[in-house]
Amino acid sequence: AQSVTQPDIHITVSEGASLELRCNYSYGATPYLFWYVQSPGQGLQLLLKYFSGDTLVQGIKGFEAEFKRSQSSFNLRKPSVHWSDAAEYFCAFPLNAGKSTFGDGTTLTVKP
Amino acid sequence: SAVISQKPSRDICQRGTSLTIQCQVDSQVTMMFWYRQQPGQSLTLIATANQGSEATYESGFVIDKFPISRPNLTFSTLTVSNMSPEDSSIYLCSAAIAGEEGNEQFFGPGTRLTVL
Repeated sequence: AQSVTQPDIHITVSEGASLELRCNYSYGATPYLFWYVQSPGQGLQLLLKYFSGDTLVQGIKGFEAEFKRSQSSFNLRKPSVHWSDAAEYFCAFPLNAGKSTFGDGTTLTVKP
Repeated sequence: SAVISQKPSRDICQRGTSLTIQCQVDSQVTMMFWYRQQPGQSLTLIATANQGSEATYESGFVIDKFPISRPNLTFSTLTVSNMSPEDSSIYLCSAAIAGEEGNEQFFGPGTRLTVL
């Protein structure tokens, strides 16, 4: 069955430092993959999406993600983290009929 | 894109009562879903809200506990029935819209439910 795994439950980085959040997928073919962010008390906001084509995907808020078939990964990156990036991040695997399966999430804490 | 609103944003309820959550989308959408996010957990799909027919429930969720209505293409409700403390969660409404390459899913702000 299709699934995504986020190996890191919690990550802490200093403001201004670079960030990489890991996402691994399990699927027999090329998947679609999304990253969402959930700020405290908020719903989910789509950061970026991968359907096909360029393996390096640019998103909102300065985030990017790279699809690597050889590693079954779709890691989220940001070169310089801001305090406002502190949130929960979810990798998601869109299924058929519009619904998605989600990873367990990674909580990002940003140190001043 | 789609803008989704939910009411109420939060509620505190007594054990044994029921709560109905409303979801409104700013455009007509074919696909609407309800998810549950238990404290500190990821999102779990409860059901697909089908317009004009009964909702399609995922494994572990039943209509008697989570009745869903979908009277038109912009509105849906989820009722959490006979609540227990284990139902304390965030309930999120979602709509999917077909894009050029695939479906994109949009989420409401969620309803934070606490059952005492």
